[in-house]
Amino acid sequence: NAGVMQNPRHLVRRRGQEARLRCSPMKGHSHVYWYRQLPEEGLKFMVYLQKENIIDESGMPKERFSAEFPKEGPSILRIQQVVRGDSAAYFCASSPPSTEDQETQYFGPGTRLLVL
Amino acid sequence: AQKVTQAQTEISVVEKEDVTLDCVYETRDTTYYLFWYKQPPSGELVFLIRRNSFDEQNEISGRYSWNFQKSTSSFNFTITASQVVDSAVYFCALSEANYGGATNKLIFGTGTLLAVQP
Repeated sequence: NAGVMQNPRHLVRRRGQEARLRCSPMKGHSHVYWYRQLPEEGLKFMVYLQKENIIDESGMPKERFSAEFPKEGPSILRIQQVVRGDSAAYFCASSPPSTEDQETQYFGPGTRLLVL
Repeated sequence: AQKVTQAQTEISVVEKEDVTLDCVYETRDTTYYLFWYKQPPSGELVFLIRRNSFDEQNEISGRYSWNFQKSTSSFNFTITASQVVDSAVYFCALSEANYGGATNKLIFGTGTLLAVQP
C-alpha cells in the first residue's frame, strides 16, 4: 500500500510566480490535511479537506493561498504570486474515513518550496 | 486554547544512553489524542504513536516507551539504549476528538532535536 505521495519534492519559484503542490492520499483515505513548516519551526495546520469540500481552512493565509481536493485526482495547494516568506516545507497528510483510525494522520515526504 | 510545549530544543547523548523527550500539553477537551512523530534528516514525518485521552496505560514498543500522565498533562517519550539512527527531530502533537464536525487538525510542539553521538 503506497504511502502519501507529494510532488514535486523540491520546487523553486521566483517572486510573483505561482506554485502548485500536489498530494495523493493513501489508498482508501478520504481526508487530506496541509501543513506548513517554516525553517526551524514546528508544523502549522493550514487546511483540512474531504473530497470536493473544504472542511476547515482556519490556518490558511487570507490571500494568495487556495486548496482543493477534487472528486478525481490529487489535492492541490496553490500559492499565487509567491513571496520569499512562502519558502517552507509543505506537508500533506491523509487519514482514513473510519472513525476508529480517523485521528491518525499519515504524512507525505513534503514539498520544499524555495522562492528566489 | 490547545497548546503543546516541548521545552527541550536540543538533546545530545552518546550511543547506548537512555533519553527522555518531554511533552506537555494544554486542552479544555475531555477527549483528545496525543501523537509522536519522528522527522529524520531526510525530512519526512514518520508516525510513531497515537494515544487516546481515556487510555493512560503506558506503552512500550521495542526500545521506545511512552508515559502518559493526565494529572500533569504530559506525554513523555523515552528511547532506551539510543542508537545513531535515532538522531532526528521528534514532534509531539495534540488533536481534539472528531465529533460534531470538529476538525482533526494537529497542534504540534516546536520539536526536540535529538543527536546521538557514536
